Amino acid sequence: QVQLVESGGGLVKPGGSLRLSCAASGFIFSDYYMNWVRQAPGKGLEWLSYISDSGGTIYYADSVKGRFTTSRDNAKRSVYLHIHGLRAEDTAVYYCARGGGNSGTSFDYWGQGALVTVSS
Amino acid sequence: QSALTQPASVSGSRGQSITISCTGSSSDVGGYDYVSWYQQHPGKAPKLIISDVRNRPSGVSNRFSGSKSGNTASLTIAGLQAADEADYYCSSFTDNTTPVFGTGTTVTVL
Repeated sequence: QVQLVESGGGLVKPGGSLRLSCAASGFIFSDYYMNWVRQAPGKGLEWLSYISDSGGTIYYADSVKGRFTTSRDNAKRSVYLHIHGLRAEDTAVYYCARGGGNSGTSFDYWGQGALVTVSS
Repeated sequence: QSALTQPASVSGSRGQSITISCTGSSSDVGGYDYVSWYQQHPGKAPKLIISDVRNRPSGVSNRFSGSKSGNTASLTIAGLQAADEADYYCSSFTDNTTPVFGTGTTVTVL
């Protein structure tokens, strides 16, 4: 069965950096776009980034452009999110999600999420 | 890209039908048949329940249905059950070739 498992979350000081990882299993990883989505405490979902199946195309939400970097390693069946210059407002649960549906534009499987807390 | 507009809350009695709207613009909802819906229970990851406006993934109850008219998409839940109490989010592909989520709707079963 399809599984996505995020790791790398934790408590980080403002201005710090973090790398989140998402390990995939149960499907041909190199065939799918992958996304990062976050949810601040008590708030809604915010799409952050997607990376194409080959890794050759990457898009970011305007709100994180320049501070967030998405990458993938198809050999390791993993996708990564590097976050730099962390701010209090980056405190959230970060999810990786597979691009799916007939059009590939929906998020058909999600990880359990990784909590990132930014605080001094 | 601004979030799509959803009502903050919708409620209904068990067995009733409810509809949640998701309003965008011609640059997103109105321009593409790429609207999807997600159900999220407290403390859990979202779950895809409708893709591409009206397609139900395998295993999703046929009590959930999706539609679209102009710049507004809708999710209807028929035969409301206690387990349907959750937050619901729509999302749409946009002209920017990026997705955008809706503001989210809390469904309460009375």
